[in-house]
Amino acid sequence: EVQLVESGGGLVQPGGSLRLSCSASGFTFSSYAMHWVRQAPGKGLEYVSAISSNGGSTYYADSVKGRFTISRDNSKNTLYLQMSSLRAEDTAVYYCAGGGPGGWGQGTLVTVSS
Amino acid sequence: DIVMTQTPLSLSVTPGQPASISCKSSQSLLHSDGKTYLYWYLQKPGQPPQLLIYEVSNRFSGVPDRFSGSGSGTDFTLKISRVEAEDVGVYYCMQSIQPSFGQGTKVEIK
Repeated sequence: EVQLVESGGGLVQPGGSLRLSCSASGFTFSSYAMHWVRQAPGKGLEYVSAISSNGGSTYYADSVKGRFTISRDNSKNTLYLQMSSLRAEDTAVYYCAGGGPGGWGQGTLVTVSS
Repeated sequence: DIVMTQTPLSLSVTPGQPASISCKSSQSLLHSDGKTYLYWYLQKPGQPPQLLIYEVSNRFSGVPDRFSGSGSGTDFTLKISRVEAEDVGVYYCMQSIQPSFGQGTKVEIK
């Protein structure tokens, strides 16, 4: 069974940085592309970023391009999202997804506020 | 960017009655590999999204057969043959060609 557990969320000031982690188990992590999706309070789902199985290819939504960096450590079965120059509009629950289209974590809340 | 447009945005359904949600994409979702990368998710209150349908019409493991997906190219539909109380939540279509989600359709029980 695919299990994804996010961590690293919290309260950060505008302009600050935060690194999210997603620990994966139950599947061969190094064989799957991985994704980050976010959901602002009371809003719909927004696709944020993706990374190929070997980390050689990445994708970013325009809203985060140049500020967020996705990476992965296949030796640790862990996905990361480094977020910098954070804005109020980045406030959201951030979900890790992968291991096939059915794999989603429970999410971690990021709040950007002074 | 590929824009996904869902209709309706909300739906109130009597238990046992059918329901249908439309999803239209601004570009064809047919990939050069012959697959169409259109997915349907249900997000129940307080939970992460759960996959219902992948690649237009394939039910994910454990999904009841009252859920079905159809369509091609740019026009897709999710149908629930007989809505049950546990089906309430927000339904999203999603494409993974240039990943994006529809706005969501909130389904409630009358």
